[in-house]
Amino acid sequence: EVQLVESGGGLVQPGRSLKLSCLASGFTFSNYGMNWIRQAPGKGLEWVASISSSSSYIYYADTVKGRFTISRDNAKNTLYLQMTSLRSEDTALYYCARLRDYWGQGVMVTVSS
Amino acid sequence: VQMTQSPSYLAASPGESVSISCKASKSISNNLAWYQEKPGKANKLLIHSGSTLQSGTPSRFSGSGSGTDFTLTIRSLESEDFAVYYCQQYNEYPDTFGAGTKLELK
Repeated sequence: EVQLVESGGGLVQPGRSLKLSCLASGFTFSNYGMNWIRQAPGKGLEWVASISSSSSYIYYADTVKGRFTISRDNAKNTLYLQMTSLRSEDTALYYCARLRDYWGQGVMVTVSS
Repeated sequence: VQMTQSPSYLAASPGESVSISCKASKSISNNLAWYQEKPGKANKLLIHSGSTLQSGTPSRFSGSGSGTDFTLTIRSLESEDFAVYYCQQYNEYPDTFGAGTKLELK
């Protein structure tokens, strides 16, 4: 069974950093591209970043480019999202997804003083 | 690519059929997915490539369209179908989503 479990969320002050993790199981992690997607409270879904299976290709939404870094460790079956210079508008539920077919349940990030 | 999804809300009864529309601001070929969102559950991919049912998706769900106009149809609604539905284009980065359609019990 494919499982994606996000962790690392929480309350953080504006301007600070936070690193999210997504532990994958039930499939060969190193064979799949992965995505981070977020949903602000009361808002729709927003794609954040994508990384290919071998990390050769990485893409970011303009809203996070230069502040967020997506990465992965295929030996640990784990996807990461390093978030820096956080803003209030980054407050959202962050999901990791295997390409498009499986999603985790999400982890909440709240940016507030 | 902007995705315009309609309606935002839809009220229906079990056994009825409903359709949800998703329009792209430019052609996305058939690179469109439909998802179901339910509280406390991971988002579920229902349909990809515009009309291909994901494994495990009940046959009462169907997708159609290509280019800019797409439709998700649910025939003979069941109680478990009342949820929020999103479309997503993945023809070009950034992937973009429709605003969602909340399907409620009438």
